[in-house]
Amino acid sequence: AQSVTQLDSQVPVFEEAPVELRCNYSSSVSVYLFWYVQYPNQGLQLLLKYLSGSTLVKGINGFEAEFNKSQTSFHLRKPSVHISDTAEYFCAVSGNSGNTPLVFGKGTRLSVIA
Amino acid sequence: DAGVTQSPTHLIKTRGQHVTLRCSPISGHKSVSWYQQVLGQGPQFIFQYYEKEERGRGNFPDRFSARQFPNYSSELNVNALLLGDSALYLCASSSPFRGLYEQYFGPGTRLTVT
Repeated sequence: AQSVTQLDSQVPVFEEAPVELRCNYSSSVSVYLFWYVQYPNQGLQLLLKYLSGSTLVKGINGFEAEFNKSQTSFHLRKPSVHISDTAEYFCAVSGNSGNTPLVFGKGTRLSVIA
Repeated sequence: DAGVTQSPTHLIKTRGQHVTLRCSPISGHKSVSWYQQVLGQGPQFIFQYYEKEERGRGNFPDRFSARQFPNYSSELNVNALLLGDSALYLCASSSPFRGLYEQYFGPGTRLTVT
């Protein structure tokens, strides 16, 4: 079984500042890792995913994440945030058999301050 | 291409009633998964269906059931509603050609039980 811990429930940051949202996972098997974003009153949108290969993954809207197997982490970063990045961000993990469901963290609320 | 669609958008039910939620996957996607997202939490896996067969079930009581139709659309049914069933219900679809783990979410159905 897999589990995900998002270490910060809320992260306030000023506009144009960098941000890092932290995610740690636990699994007894190799995993696939994902970050999703949820804007108010909407569903989830896939930001980026790690399946294999390069540990630095680039996604949409200028976000990137780095897979660190030894630290079982998959932190999300953006060098300069915009007001429009204000949303809830979810880290998710699944086993890499291709048929296991996504297990989500509790989410991190990113608030960008003008 | 149209994304995942869900209906209705919102609904209000009374304790003890039954509810049916509907989902249409992205064209060409043959797998549908259902998640429950309680306010302030990450989504929790309920069911996955692939080619009309149940492929996975989360830790939910038997009051929850689902099915997938020949056109790959899906229904989630919940009987004997409890106040704790109030949540956003998310449907996600995936394609075996992109990996069943890469899931695309609909906007959700907001269920309120009074």
